[in-house]
Amino acid sequence: DAGVIQSPRHEVTEMGQEVTLRCKPISGHNSLFWYRQTMMRGLELLIYFNNNVPIDDSGMPEDRFSAKMPNASFSTLKIQPSEPRDSAVYFCASRVGTNQPQHFGDGTRLSIL
Amino acid sequence: GNSVTQMEGPVTLSEEAFLTINCTYTATGYPSLFWYVQYPGEGLQLLLKATKAEDKGSNKGFEATYRKETTSFHLEKGSVQVSDSAVYFCALSGAQGAQKLVFGQGTRLTINP
Repeated sequence: DAGVIQSPRHEVTEMGQEVTLRCKPISGHNSLFWYRQTMMRGLELLIYFNNNVPIDDSGMPEDRFSAKMPNASFSTLKIQPSEPRDSAVYFCASRVGTNQPQHFGDGTRLSIL
Repeated sequence: GNSVTQMEGPVTLSEEAFLTINCTYTATGYPSLFWYVQYPGEGLQLLLKATKAEDKGSNKGFEATYRKETTSFHLEKGSVQVSDSAVYFCALSGAQGAQKLVFGQGTRLTINP
């Protein structure tokens, strides 16, 4: 079974550039979550979708961040313009059912110079 | 609101030692409880779960029992190995319909040979 697939695995770019992170959830999973992990703040939920609809985006730090889920098998997290403080590991996770565990991708390590 | 409090890390043990990582939670209703493990450079992986009071989750020699009276879900292992070195996260979901995973801050475990 393929797990949650994220791309790219690593991204290094200069501040001000647009960054797009991609996620393919596990087939059949109807919920998708975007997290950010840093040493200082730990694991933070940014946004999650149910059946492709954004349910809670209260964790999105600023208007520079946006997320979309155009279909059940694909989601993007975009940062425009990027800033050095956005440097972190970004994880995508998916789940089927409310009380079922989330399955995480391997993450995208983002460095903004 | 819902919250999870984990034992402060880091924790350093010798191989074959007994491990306990404490986790307590605050939630309304009847959440499901999880332990996730994160190995270096990887995403979070589900280690074990329990969905109702007095359930015991177990996997790879790790165990945790859902204790409603003490609102706890402590992680234990009788004899740790060097390969158990990782960061461990306690989490809950499903409390009063909440779909988000609420994570503890994580506990870094290092096992020395």
